[in-house]
Amino acid sequence: DQQVKQNSPSLSVQEGRISILNCDYTNSMFDYFLWYKKYPAEGPTFLISISSIKDKNEDGRFTVFLNKSAKHLSLHIVPSQPGDSAVYFCAASGSRGSARQLTFGSGTQLTVLP
Amino acid sequence: GAGVSQSPSNKVTEKGKDVELRCDPISGHTALYWYRQSLGQGLEFLIYFQGNSAPDKSGLPSDRFSAERTGGSVSTLTIQRTQQEDSAVYLCASSSNRGRETQYFGPGTRLLVL
Repeated sequence: DQQVKQNSPSLSVQEGRISILNCDYTNSMFDYFLWYKKYPAEGPTFLISISSIKDKNEDGRFTVFLNKSAKHLSLHIVPSQPGDSAVYFCAASGSRGSARQLTFGSGTQLTVLP
Repeated sequence: GAGVSQSPSNKVTEKGKDVELRCDPISGHTALYWYRQSLGQGLEFLIYFQGNSAPDKSGLPSDRFSAERTGGSVSTLTIQRTQQEDSAVYLCASSSNRGRETQYFGPGTRLLVL
């Protein structure tokens, strides 16, 4: 049973346009959400996060939106650049003692076309 | 500063052999996590260490998997009697223990069991 789902395995966007990556979750105990970017042969790199007390967090070209009622979050990248081409993973964590194990989605391969 | 390092970067072994994977977390990080990513899948939580507390082993897929963390720093993940389904990228992450801390990942060890 996948608790974090990324239903689009791939996305192609033209350079300069907006990239929107989506993520859905089922566990209502999740209260912290993160996006990681992963290049081939490298470990995931932290991109941006959001706490459940917020509905938006922005960092430069990256904005994460959280809709708690729909259990949905999205990552917006604008403007998209060819260097953004990577696999993007959505991850979630919840209160579990002091553990912050992350539950990951299966990833979305973003390709930004020049 | 130095990030999370893992060794070896690649490991090819024969079915039935034991393997050891090593992780050096970021200096000063008290929390250490092991994940694995099988082909086409998201990251799957394996085990979590926090300071001197007993590790959270809830993600280990079988008793062939074990991990230890010596001196609160370096960790070793051991897989005994490897099986072909153990082939995956094994990722280590660390974080400090100040609430909702971001996990920083190493580059991973690519394990192939023939």
